[in-house]
Amino acid sequence: QQQVKQSPQSLIVQKGGISIINCAYENTAFDYFPWYQQFPGKGPALLIAIRPDVSEKKEGRFTISFNKSAKQFSLHIMDSQPGDSATYFCAASIGSRRPSTDSWGKLQFGAGTQVVVTP
Amino acid sequence: KAGVTQTPRYLIKTRGQQVTLSCSPISGHRSVSWYQQTPGQGLQFLFEYFSETQRNKGNFPGRFSGRQFSNSRSEMNVSTLELGDSALYLCASSREGSLFYNEQFFGPGTRLTVL
Repeated sequence: QQQVKQSPQSLIVQKGGISIINCAYENTAFDYFPWYQQFPGKGPALLIAIRPDVSEKKEGRFTISFNKSAKQFSLHIMDSQPGDSATYFCAASIGSRRPSTDSWGKLQFGAGTQVVVTP
Repeated sequence: KAGVTQTPRYLIKTRGQQVTLSCSPISGHRSVSWYQQTPGQGLQFLFEYFSETQRNKGNFPGRFSGRQFSNSRSEMNVSTLELGDSALYLCASSREGSLFYNEQFFGPGTRLTVL
């Protein structure tokens, strides 16, 4: 079963607008939540990541908001640019400080959101 | 610092054949994970290697196997290829001891097409 649910599937936003992508998880053992950006023909590139002991992390135009009680986290892309058009994946991982047998090297990914930024 | 490299970038095989894909991690990274990416199933974890040992494995049949060498380079092998094995195979490396031990950096992938 999919352990990380991502929405929406696709998103169209005008240049300068805000793109918002949401993810929800069930497993409370998850304690590392990265976001990846993938362009066609390329591998996913790590964009920004958060741990559950903080509620928000900002890097440039990208912000992660984290709601531990709701088991949700989201990516906000401010001032969206045509170059941001890509597929975005959220992910989650267990035991970033104390990994266990079934967590080594394993990221659980959401299904992805295709973002199109129109000029 | 060079990123994760994967070879070959593209492969075309026929059903029943076997294939070997190669991954060189970022210098200093000792953990290598492999993922399969398809339009239908998304990104799925295959296995992870560290110090030449497989530490974790996803839910894939035994036809999918891998290994890691002493220089941390890794290979994955798929035997008796099926049409459904057509996918982008991604390798990711991470640095043991990092605060985010699963902070993974991906290579460009190998696009495998099975005819």
